[in-house]
Amino acid sequence: DAGVIQSPRHEVTEMGQEVTLRCKPISGHNSLFWYRQTMMRGLELLIYFNNNVPIDDSGMPEDRFSAKMPNASFSTLKIQPSEPRDSAVYFCAYRQGGDTGELFFGEGSRLTVL
Amino acid sequence: GENVEQHPSTLSVQEGDSAVIKCTYSDSASNYFPWYKQELGKRPQLIIDIRSNVGEKKDQRIAVTLNKTAKHFSLHITETQPEDSAVYFCAASTAGAAGNKLTFGGGTRVLVKP
Repeated sequence: DAGVIQSPRHEVTEMGQEVTLRCKPISGHNSLFWYRQTMMRGLELLIYFNNNVPIDDSGMPEDRFSAKMPNASFSTLKIQPSEPRDSAVYFCAYRQGGDTGELFFGEGSRLTVL
Repeated sequence: GENVEQHPSTLSVQEGDSAVIKCTYSDSASNYFPWYKQELGKRPQLIIDIRSNVGEKKDQRIAVTLNKTAKHFSLHITETQPEDSAVYFCAASTAGAAGNKLTFGGGTRVLVKP
């Protein structure tokens, strides 16, 4: 299923470096979500967009995290500076079909911060 | 905001037996309750969902029940098979001013022993 393409799939970086994660959903969706998954905290919603507009960013851990969606086919999640506790799998997901439609997840970006 | 609790965190069953996972939610306005299955190293994928106007839904070996009064819902897997081994997440969708966001439970790791 190539509904959502995330890159990079794996990234290893050193503490203090900037990390940019990318998401390309298929066209025609109306909502896009960024989730973070760790063993300790499970799947956490970081931010979601509706029609490219950020609606709720209350899950963004702190100012080091930022997300943008310049158009319907592209979104980025940036961490600057990165810290070891940011190590996680970051998923991008889109939703079609109204407010309670199925979420389609990308394959995720596994981030390791040393 | 919405809070979703999921139990148990791990579940080991013998092949052929049934597995039951239970979730509770806090926001009485939630109206959509999906279940996602995540195999090791893969992305979460929807397996079944239920809406607040329905008490029970079944799809082959899996079924979900919803008790809105008590604010809890459950996943039932009958005749478990080794391929059912995965992490299962329940979720609740909370209506917002500009669209719904999905809050996930902590996950249940299911192991089906042959």
